[in-house]
Amino acid sequence: DAGVIQSPRHEVTEMGQEVTLRCKPISGHNSLFWYRQTMMRGLELLIYFNNNVPIDDSGMPEDRFSAKMPNASFSTLKIQPSEPRDSAVYFCASRGPGSTDTQYFGPGTRLTVL
Amino acid sequence: RKEVEQDPGPFNVPEGATVAFNCTYSNSASQSFFWYRQDCRKEPKLLMSVYSSGNEDGRFTAQLNRASQYISLLIRDSKLSDSATYLCVVNSGRRALTFGSGTRLQVQP
Repeated sequence: DAGVIQSPRHEVTEMGQEVTLRCKPISGHNSLFWYRQTMMRGLELLIYFNNNVPIDDSGMPEDRFSAKMPNASFSTLKIQPSEPRDSAVYFCASRGPGSTDTQYFGPGTRLTVL
Repeated sequence: RKEVEQDPGPFNVPEGATVAFNCTYSNSASQSFFWYRQDCRKEPKLLMSVYSSGNEDGRFTAQLNRASQYISLLIRDSKLSDSATYLCVVNSGRRALTFGSGTRLQVQP
């Protein structure tokens, strides 16, 4: 079975450019999470969706960050304009319906902003 | 104070050793607890859930002490392949899962 799919796997861009990260959750999962991981701050939750609706976006660092989930099989995280401090690994995770809290992570997108 | 705190390590142990990791959490209303494993430059993966009664999966034993707000992970007979970062994870019901910063384990031959 396909796991969570993220693209691109690596992105190098220049400061000020728009960056779009993409995620396809596991089929049948109804919750989707975006995380950012850095050495300094560890793994931080940015936003999560339940049934395509944003539930908690309090982790989104500022207005430069936006996330959408137009349907159950696709989500995007956009940074505009990007800054060097946005350099990190961005993970998407999904979770199925039911009582379990288990989240399944995608392989991540390694973003470098020069 | 961080919501989930772990000793960052690294823990350097020889093969065959027993090693224990500890984790504390600040929210007494927390409901679910987990250990995730993350290999270098890979995504986190669920290692095991942690139940109040304690639970064991092969060489791995997890325990929860709600009174002290303390979670532990014990690894027996360490293998080289156990080298990774172990993340303590708590669901306090407010914001999905909260991850600790991780404890790095290096098992040496």
